[in-house]
Amino acid sequence: QSVLTQPPSASGTPGQRVTISCSGSSSNIGSNTVNWYQQLPGTAPKLLIYSNNQRPSGVPDRFSGSKSGTSASLAISGLQSEDEADYYCAAWDDSLNGGVFGGGTKLTVL
Amino acid sequence: EVQLLESGGGLVQPGGSLRLSCAASGFTFSSYAMSWVRQAPGKGLEWVSAISGSGGSTYYADSVKGRFTISRDNSKNTLYLQMNSLRAEDTAVYYCAKENYDFCHLGMDVWGQGTTVTVSS
Repeated sequence: QSVLTQPPSASGTPGQRVTISCSGSSSNIGSNTVNWYQQLPGTAPKLLIYSNNQRPSGVPDRFSGSKSGTSASLAISGLQSEDEADYYCAAWDDSLNGGVFGGGTKLTVL
Repeated sequence: EVQLLESGGGLVQPGGSLRLSCAASGFTFSSYAMSWVRQAPGKGLEWVSAISGSGGSTYYADSVKGRFTISRDNSKNTLYLQMNSLRAEDTAVYYCAKENYDFCHLGMDVWGQGTTVTVSS
């Protein structure tokens, strides 16, 4: 069982907006920034969002992140077929003195 | 080009040891914290260990504490993971990853291609 909780699956149609939630606690999301990763099948993860809401260069502005209290969300607008992937949230945990990932959300584009 | 290249994976018996290496290029290696992240077959990502840019601070997941040792040689631009007392549950693809700052916050902007570790008799 992961320290950060994500829904196992999400779906949407092309052009739609979808959100993926990530729930944690005061020792991780509540006191540290949240990062989001996209993993396409058979490939290494790719950083999508860092420090709650910052996009690395090259990441489309269709991807956005937010955080409130001990929860965070990743939003994908203008959904495209190539967005079909696994998405993970991640944060540092002060109690564990280590990193934690969510269990991952498999996004299906219908 | 910024690049990370892992090596050292393979098949090892339970209780055995393995050392993974990660060769970095294209950036000032000593200026960034580095992490190891693993992914068991069909499972999600699991953070394993991290080290500060200077190597002075190291961090471990409870699942590997006391068995794995992370280190780095900044003169060789190389990150290591010494894995001892390996168990079947350590079977995974191991990725090395670069933090985008010199502190560990799980914001990893560069990843290697991964190296596979299989623990089996």
